[in-house]
Amino acid sequence: SQQGEEDPQALSIQEGENATMNCSYKTSINNLQWYRQNSGRGLVHLILIRSNEREKHSGRLRVTLDTSKKSSSLLITASRAADTASYFCATDAITQGGSEKLVFGKGTKLTVNP
Amino acid sequence: KAGVTQTPRYLIKTRGQQVTLSCSPISGHRSVSWYQQTPGQGLQFLFEYFSETQRNKGNFPGRFSGRQFSNSRSEMNVSTLELGDSALYLCASSLALAGVTEQYFGPGTRLTVT
Repeated sequence: SQQGEEDPQALSIQEGENATMNCSYKTSINNLQWYRQNSGRGLVHLILIRSNEREKHSGRLRVTLDTSKKSSSLLITASRAADTASYFCATDAITQGGSEKLVFGKGTKLTVNP
Repeated sequence: KAGVTQTPRYLIKTRGQQVTLSCSPISGHRSVSWYQQTPGQGLQFLFEYFSETQRNKGNFPGRFSGRQFSNSRSEMNVSTLELGDSALYLCASSLALAGVTEQYFGPGTRLTVT
């Protein structure tokens, strides 16, 4: 079952506008990550935020984390057509034995119109 | 540093056949995870290998199996293919350091079962 649920499922904006995507999850986490996927290709890691962090920036990306609400948001400022992609949040599930397992949401499909 | 590579990139198979997909992780990465991505189910975790041992397994039938070699390269095998196995299969590698679960994805293998 999916741990994270992104909202909205699809988002269409004009170049230069900001895009905000939200992610909610169900269980306690160590980290939350955001990934980008261009159509039918592999995922690219964008940013990782630890459970004891509230906000993190990377270039035009800003991620917030509210562990009390079990939610995170990804803000892309001054969007460009090249930002058109699907965005996924992923929470970690560290199992016994130290195994790493990322649990992904279903993603937000962002379209940035030129 | 070369990224994660997956071969083949595209594959067409017939129901009942079997298939083997290959993944070469980033040099120095010891953990390799496999995911299946479909439009309906999204990204689902298949299994993770670390030092040639399967550390974690997702909720997939026994027809899905994998292995990891001493050089960290990994293969996954699907036997008795079903139409529903058509998907993008993604491999991801990571350093597997404690508390750091950032994963680097390959471009994927697009499997079509007819």
